[in-house]
Amino acid sequence: AQSVTQLDSQVPVFEEAPVELRCNYSSSVSVYLFWYVQYPNQGLQLLLKYLSGSTLVESINGFEAEFNKSQTSFHLRKPSVHISDTAEYFCALHSGGSNYKLTFGKGTLLTVNP
Amino acid sequence: DVKVTQSSRYLVKRTGEKVFLECVQDMDHENMFWYRQDPGLGLRLIYFSYDVKMKEKGDIPEGYSVSREKKERFSLILESASTNQTSMYLCATTDMNTEAFFGQGTRLTVV
Repeated sequence: AQSVTQLDSQVPVFEEAPVELRCNYSSSVSVYLFWYVQYPNQGLQLLLKYLSGSTLVESINGFEAEFNKSQTSFHLRKPSVHISDTAEYFCALHSGGSNYKLTFGKGTLLTVNP
Repeated sequence: DVKVTQSSRYLVKRTGEKVFLECVQDMDHENMFWYRQDPGLGLRLIYFSYDVKMKEKGDIPEGYSVSREKKERFSLILESASTNQTSMYLCATTDMNTEAFFGQGTRLTVV
């Protein structure tokens, strides 16, 4: 069985502060990991993904995440957030091979305050 | 660009009605998924399909069924709608080892 745990349901921060959204996973096979973002009243969009290779992956808007196999984590970070980063963030896991199941965490609501 | 289209954006149905939610994708992807999204619970997988006529239960299949007669279309069926099935329903599609692409969602209200 596979699972994704997002440790914080809500993270309030002030503008220009750093932020870390935590994600831990459980799977018995190799994994592909994703962060999706959902802005208010919109659908889900891919933010970044880890498939293989470098364990540090980056998005175009300054977010980064690091795949840590020993700690089974894929935490999302940004050194300085903007008001426009206010959204719900979902960590997801997709196992390779014959198991196509795509599993999401419960989400973390990031609120950036002025 | 991948396009995933859900048949309705908003839907209101009565308790006991049979409800069909349709999802169509245009990228020839193998895998399709139905999720429901509720505040504080995130996205919960209802059913998924990895090939035509193939389906597997997700984490919360009770009260739902699915149909995949053609590769591009994946239907979610509520056999007898109940008020606790009021939710946002999201369809997604993915090929092996790629990210998921989502439809715009269907907000279903059962009264």
